[in-house]
Amino acid sequence: QLVLTQSPSASASLGASVKLTCTLSSGHSNYAIAWHQQQPEKGPRYLMKLNSDGSHNKGDGIPDRFSGSSSGAERYLTISSLQFEDEADYYCQTWGTGVVFGGGTKLTVL
Amino acid sequence: EVQLLESGGGLVQPGGSLRLSCAASGVTFSSYAMNWVRQAPGKGLEWVSSISGSGVSTDYADSVKGRFTISRDNSKNTLYLQMNSLRAEDTAIYYCGKAGGRSLSDVDYWGQGTLVTVSS
Repeated sequence: QLVLTQSPSASASLGASVKLTCTLSSGHSNYAIAWHQQQPEKGPRYLMKLNSDGSHNKGDGIPDRFSGSSSGAERYLTISSLQFEDEADYYCQTWGTGVVFGGGTKLTVL
Repeated sequence: EVQLLESGGGLVQPGGSLRLSCAASGVTFSSYAMNWVRQAPGKGLEWVSSISGSGVSTDYADSVKGRFTISRDNSKNTLYLQMNSLRAEDTAIYYCGKAGGRSLSDVDYWGQGTLVTVSS
């Protein structure tokens, strides 16, 4: 079964970097994913598509501070030079038999 | 610029029906699959349904299979979701999302959402 697992929460200081993790279920380590950001009281925003080899294509207007990488079944979203506006829920998404979302990670900027 | 605009949400009684629409602009609509994704109050994103660019292939989450029907009119650049036998647990903001390809793929553009409330 295709499942994405994310930690429920993460925190980092203003100006620092943070690395969020999305883990693909067993047998699906070659799947691409997408990362989405949802700021408080707003709709989701597409950040990027991230392939199993770590290559990624970002959405329109996404700052260079956002980058993606991969290792085995792990897919990462790194946000550098954290700003208060980065405080949001971050969801990973993949597709196979239907579309699957991870449970989301709530990022707090301290 | 791709824009997706949902409409049709509202308050409906349990067992009732509602049809959502999503008007797309700035994109060759028939070239891309489309999705409906919902978010219950205080919860995460939940995929509801997808339809291929041609409209021939559709997929549904188990939670809505047999009750919801996705469709599209490529001549009108519009996506639909017919929701029947609505339950309280269907209460959510419903988002339409454009896929990155003709079939299942990443959701690379989102609408602003429309709220559906199922309550007596």
